[in-house]
Amino acid sequence: EPEVTQTPSHQVTQMGQEVILRCVPISNHLYFYWYRQILGQKVEFLVSFYNNEISEKSEIFDDQFSVERPDGSNFTLKIRSTKLEDSAMYFCASSEQGTGNTIYFGEGSWLTVV
Amino acid sequence: QQQVKQSPQSLIVQKGGISIINCAYENTAFDYFPWYQQFPGKGPALLIAIRPDVSEKKEGRFTISFNKSAKQFSLHIMDSQPGDSATYFCAASPPWGKLIFGQGTELSVKP
Repeated sequence: EPEVTQTPSHQVTQMGQEVILRCVPISNHLYFYWYRQILGQKVEFLVSFYNNEISEKSEIFDDQFSVERPDGSNFTLKIRSTKLEDSAMYFCASSEQGTGNTIYFGEGSWLTVV
Repeated sequence: QQQVKQSPQSLIVQKGGISIINCAYENTAFDYFPWYQQFPGKGPALLIAIRPDVSEKKEGRFTISFNKSAKQFSLHIMDSQPGDSATYFCAASPPWGKLIFGQGTELSVKP
């Protein structure tokens, strides 16, 4: 079964450093998402991306965050200057069509900011 | 209005019993209601989903009941098994909008 793959699975970074989380969505999918989950809390929407541009973003997704699809297969989330409160599990997801259809999640990248 | 409220926060059920998790929403524009299952250290995996034009959907031991007038929907797990022990999230989205998750229910099925 096709799957969304994410790297790294775990990253520890110092506060103020830049982090890039990488994702390979399912190959025929057109819509891409990043969600995050702080330990023990619910899954929160960060951003959706379609046709090489952001289609929606949450209030969490401030100027410190950016997304990019640098080539035909990768989808990245960059956090420019990490803060302690950015420590969370970050999930990449993709869907063949927009929201309202099945969204497939990767296994997550656990980010620890120290 | 964008929230999805989920209860209970945790649930302990005996093997073979029925697990019931409830969710409520306010935004009448929501038209897609999936349930996700998450095991520790893993991403959420779609379990079952429903749209508001039906009141119930069953897939194996999993059933979604949907009450449009009350703006509530629930997940029923029949014949619960220890392997069902996981965190379950309800979610909802409007057309072309983001998927909003409930707080999650940690289910433990005792042998």
